Amino acid sequence: DTAVSQTPKYLVTQMGNDKSIKCEQNLGHDTMYWYKQDSKKFLKIMFSYNNKELIINETVPNRFSPKSPDKAHLNLHINSLELGDSAVYFCASSQTSQEQFFGPGTRLTVL
Amino acid sequence: GDSVTQMEGPVTLSEEAFLTINCTYTATGYPSLFWYVQYPGEGLQLLLKATKADDKGSNKGFEATYRKETTSFHLEKGSVQVSDSAVYFCALSVAGANSKLTFGKGITLSVRP
Repeated sequence: DTAVSQTPKYLVTQMGNDKSIKCEQNLGHDTMYWYKQDSKKFLKIMFSYNNKELIINETVPNRFSPKSPDKAHLNLHINSLELGDSAVYFCASSQTSQEQFFGPGTRLTVL
Repeated sequence: GDSVTQMEGPVTLSEEAFLTINCTYTATGYPSLFWYVQYPGEGLQLLLKATKADDKGSNKGFEATYRKETTSFHLEKGSVQVSDSAVYFCALSVAGANSKLTFGKGITLSVRP
């Protein structure tokens, strides 16, 4: 069974479109995260939710909106996509302050 | 703020060579330290971790020791294999509800047969 899953794995879209990436974890963790990995492989936290509550919101454009319908899911919606949004987006989960488990990533390409 | 500095890459080694990847950190609190590995086309996997000073994390022949006096967590392996070719990330996390991971830039390791 996959612990942290993301859909889709690949997403190719045009500038200006709106898209969503979904994440689910079946580990019973209470904290979920979104990270962005740029073309140079650098990883940076974007958001974190603890028990459906937003606790970390780094300097991310407000075109990015996370939503956590329950503590097993954390989705990422992106409005008005720009070329610079092209990256690999990783979801992760953890029990508070413990090791984080990562999903396989979603490669977003904006044309 | 918190930060992690890794040595510049990429690194290319022959099979069975000794590996050292340097990592130093700055943190406002008392961090836990991690090495994550990303194999080609995959997500990140935890390789090893250490949660307090002088702890040694180890896994798959890799080791790293939490050195508070030098704020370092260098990764070592005595004999690398082709299958170790991957990107390696050093990271830290300070305990609390906002325990995000702060990553170093990552280093690409290529091992030649």
